[in-house]
Amino acid sequence: EVQLLESGGDLVQPGGSLRLSCAPSGFTFKNYAMTWVRQAPGKGPEWVSTISNTGGDTYYADSVKGRFTISRDNSGNTLFLQMSSLRTEDTALYYCVRYIRGPNYYLDYWGQGTLVTVSS
Amino acid sequence: IQLTQSPSSLSASVGDRVTITCRASQGINTYLAWYQQKPGKAPKVLIYAASTLQSGVPSRFSGSGSGTDFTLTISTLQPEDFATYYCQHFKTFPITFGQGTRLDIK
Repeated sequence: EVQLLESGGDLVQPGGSLRLSCAPSGFTFKNYAMTWVRQAPGKGPEWVSTISNTGGDTYYADSVKGRFTISRDNSGNTLFLQMSSLRTEDTALYYCVRYIRGPNYYLDYWGQGTLVTVSS
Repeated sequence: IQLTQSPSSLSASVGDRVTITCRASQGINTYLAWYQQKPGKAPKVLIYAASTLQSGVPSRFSGSGSGTDFTLTISTLQPEDFATYYCQHFKTFPITFGQGTRLDIK
């Protein structure tokens, strides 16, 4: 059974930093692209960042570019999201999601999310 | 690429046929997925490649369209279908979501 377990969410002050982690299980992690999607309270999902299966290609939403860094450790089976210069508008539930990238494209398995709250 | 869903909200009854539309600001071929989200839960994929039903999803769900105009249809609403639905494109990054359609019980 595919599972994705996020951790690292916390209350942080504006301008602060946080690192989210995602521990996958039930599939061969190194074979899949991975994505972070966030959802602010009462809002729809927002794509944040994607990393290719090898880690060689990364993509970011304009809203986080230059502040967030996605990475992965295929030998340690972990996905990361390093978040810096956090803003109040980054407050959201952050989901770790497996990305089916070719020949069809969709997000198939989602974790339960980890909550990031940016507030003074 | 922006995705615009309509309607934003919809009230319907069990047994009704419901259609939700998603319009892309430019052509995206069939690089579109549909998700269902219930309160307190993560989104769940229903349809990918515009019309392919994800394994395990009931056949009352169907998708159609290509280019800029897409639809999600629920043929006979069941009580468990009342939720919020989102479309998402995969043509190019950023892979954006539509704003959502909330489906309520009438």
